[in-house]
Amino acid sequence: KQEVTQIPAALSVPEGENLVLNCSFTDSAIYNLQWFRQDPGKGLTSLLLIQSSQREQTSGRLNASLDKSSGRSTLYIAASQPGDSATYLCAGVYNQGGKLIFGQGTELSVKP
Amino acid sequence: EPEVTQTPSHQVTQMGQEVILRCVPISNHLYFYWYRQILGQKVEFLVSFYNNEISEKSEIFDDQFSVERPDGSNFTLKIRSTKLEDSAMYFCASRPRGLPTDTQYFGPGTRLTVL
Repeated sequence: KQEVTQIPAALSVPEGENLVLNCSFTDSAIYNLQWFRQDPGKGLTSLLLIQSSQREQTSGRLNASLDKSSGRSTLYIAASQPGDSATYLCAGVYNQGGKLIFGQGTELSVKP
Repeated sequence: EPEVTQTPSHQVTQMGQEVILRCVPISNHLYFYWYRQILGQKVEFLVSFYNNEISEKSEIFDDQFSVERPDGSNFTLKIRSTKLEDSAMYFCASRPRGLPTDTQYFGPGTRLTVL
């Protein structure tokens, strides 16, 4: 069964710190993996998508990596800001149909 | 920038009633999805829709659920007889094509409360 797991469930850091969010998946035959941001009571905003043929993707202060052999992806956030406080979700796609299988998310709090 | 829209933002209904959740995907997208998120739980896939038919559905998506694209813009999710456990945030999403590079774009969600 394809499952996606995120640990820890919650993380609190001081402003300015660099941090890494973790995502693991059970099936290495992944098509692509997406990272999303979810603010309380809101929808999901796509941050980064990594194709199975790629090792990493970068957007501004965000860098996502993908290691299929170990079944892991990480989201690196540089110089964190209070505005980065949100829940971060990773989700894997295993076929062209695009069904996303989500992790439970990591709730990030960046303290001023 | 184009975005996925959903209406209503919040729907309250009595158990056993029918509800229709509406979505307008991004106009040139070909794949459409419904997901739901029960409070405090993971986002779960319900159904995908491509070329005017269901391409995949989860075991949650039973006979009480149906989807439709009645015209060129709207995509709807109908729940025929709502149950208490249907209370959740329902998200619509769309994707341009079927390529590995394609991001899914999500709407803001409809919060469904079944009393």
